[in-house]
Formats: sequence, C-alpha cells, structure tokens
Amino acid sequence: AQSVTQLDSQVPVFEEAPVELRCNYSSSVSVYLFWYVQYPNQGLQLLLKYLSGSTLVESINGFEAEFNKSQTSFHLRKPSVHISDTAEYFCAVSVLSFQKLVFGTGTRLLVSP
Amino acid sequence: DVKVTQSSRYLVKRTGEKVFLECVQDMDHENMFWYRQDPGLGLRLIYFSYDVKMKEKGDIPEGYSVSREKKERFSLILESASTNQTSMYLCASRLGGQETQYFGPGTRLLVL
Repeated sequence: AQSVTQLDSQVPVFEEAPVELRCNYSSSVSVYLFWYVQYPNQGLQLLLKYLSGSTLVESINGFEAEFNKSQTSFHLRKPSVHISDTAEYFCAVSVLSFQKLVFGTGTRLLVSP
Repeated sequence: DVKVTQSSRYLVKRTGEKVFLECVQDMDHENMFWYRQDPGLGLRLIYFSYDVKMKEKGDIPEGYSVSREKKERFSLILESASTNQTSMYLCASRLGGQETQYFGPGTRLLVL
C-alpha cells in the first residue's frame, strides 16, 4: 500500500521569503505524484503533478516540485511567497491507472506581511 | 471549465437522522469520489464509483453508503448520523483513465 507523509502541519513565513513544503511517500511500485492546494473555504485544486519525464515540474503561479526517487520525496518550493499563497497544501500519490489518490495530512502555509 | 457542485455548503443534523449529500458534475466524467477531510488526518476516501450503478468501498466506508443512478450525480448517504461523522465532505470527479481529480467546494456537516 502507498502512504504519504507531510511532516510539517504548519509553516509560517514572511512575504517574499522562500518556502519548502516537504512530502515523502512510500510505495513498492512506480507512482504518480501530485500537489493540491485548498484556499480558505474552497475545495481542492491541482497545483502540479509528476507523471513521467523531467523530474522538475512547475505550476503557473511560481511553485515547483522535484521528484526524487532515491529519497522518495516530492518537496514543493517557491522562491518568494505572496500573501495570497496562504492555503493548505496536500501531497498525494497514485499508482497504475490513477485509480485512487492517497493524500498526506496537509501543510498549512501561513504568509504574513 | 469542469464544475463540481455540492448541494449544501453547511448542514446541521441530529444524531440518528438520515443524511443525503449530493454531488453533481457537468463534464460527463465516469469516475466520482467521496472523501472526508478532518484536521490532522487529511483526506480519506469513503467510496468511489467508476460508472453508473458501480461503486467501490474506499478506506473508511463504515457508516456510509452511496448511490450513482445517473452519470452526473453521486450521492453519499449517512443512514443514521452519529457525532463522529461531523466533518468536511468533499466530492470529486475525474475523466476515466486521466490523472486529475476535480473537487467540489465541500459540505461542512455538523451532527449534534
């Protein structure tokens, strides 16, 4: 079975600072990896995904994540955060035909001025 | 744009009541999902459906049932609500064979 670990439940940062949200997974087979974001009082939205190919994937709003197979990690980074990035971020893993997503427990990113 | 709607944003019910949560998607997606979201536990899959009248148990199906009579609608049923079912419920849909799930805004259920 697959599992996802997000060690940080909350990450406070100041605006324009860099941030890294950590995600580690365990699986005995090849996986597909996702980051979803949940803004206050909204559902989840896909932020970025790794399916194959380049191990570095980017979102349209400046986030990036790197798939590291040897460390079984898929950490999310942004070099300079905005107040509007305040949200909860969920890492998720899926295997074979994307039948099921297994989510981590989420990391709340709090950006203050 | 894919749109997934859920019938209520907030619900308050009493212990023992039968509760229906409705989810509708407008993109002809084959797959639909029900999750519950709790602080510190993330999202946990309750049930999913690959197509009309098909359903599969997720990781925490106890106390829940589902119905998928039409492709666009997936209902979650709490036969006899209990206080430990107080939670945020999220519905999602996905085109068969594709990787991205599209989520509704959620229903926050309080069982008193």
